[in-house]
Amino acid sequence: NAGVTQTPKFQVLKTGQSMTLQCAQDMNHNSMYWYRQDPGMGLRLIYYSASEGTTDKGEVPNGYNVSRLNKREFSLRLESAAPSQTSVYFCAGREGTNSPLHFGNGTRLTVT
Amino acid sequence: QKEVEQNSGPLSVPEGAIASLNCTYSDRGSQSFFWYRQYSGKSPELIMSIYSNGDKEDGRFTAQLNKASQYVSLLIRDSQPSDSATYLCAVKVGNFNKFYFGSGTKLNVKP
Repeated sequence: NAGVTQTPKFQVLKTGQSMTLQCAQDMNHNSMYWYRQDPGMGLRLIYYSASEGTTDKGEVPNGYNVSRLNKREFSLRLESAAPSQTSVYFCAGREGTNSPLHFGNGTRLTVT
Repeated sequence: QKEVEQNSGPLSVPEGAIASLNCTYSDRGSQSFFWYRQYSGKSPELIMSIYSNGDKEDGRFTAQLNKASQYVSLLIRDSQPSDSATYLCAVKVGNFNKFYFGSGTKLNVKP
C-alpha cells in the first residue's frame, strides 16, 4: 500500500517547455487535489477532482491543466512553463465527505 | 481576505511547555477542520481533525473549535524538540470539496 505516489520527485525545466506531473493513489480516494507550496504562501489549490470524470479550478489554475484519467490517477500538466511556476507541487487525495487529505511526497519543480 | 489565517511565527517554546497555535477562517459554512504538521522538505501529515464545537484530545495534542468565533486552535502539551515543524491549519469549505490552508505557523521547541 504505497498511498499517494508522485513522479518525478525533482524536475528542472526551461521557460516554455512542457511537462506532466503524475499522481497515483491506491487508497480508494474519490477526490484528488493538486496544490503548490511557495515560501510564506502556504498551500494553494490549483485544481481538484471531486470524483472520477470531474475536475474543477482552485485558487491558482492559470497556466495548468489536469486530467483525472481514472479513479487512481490525477495528472497536472504545464503546457508552457514559466519561472513563476517554480514551486513544490503536492498531490493529495481523500476518501469520503469529511475525510482529511492525504498527501504525496511532492515534486520540486524549477523553471529557469 | 484569505480564507484561512495563521500567525507565521516563529513561535518559540521551551521543552516541556505548552505550545498554542491559532487559526481563524472566514467562511461560516465551513464544516471540517484539520491540523497538519510539516517538517522541512517533507509533505504535510495529518495530526488532528475536528468537526464540532469544543475540544478534541489525542495524546499530547488538543484541538479546539469555536464556530461562533470562526476560530480553531491546537495545543501541544509537554512540547518536545521533535515537535519543531510548521503547523498548517486546513478548512473544508461548506458542501464544496475545496480545502483551504493557512500559511502555517513555524514552531521551535528549545531543549
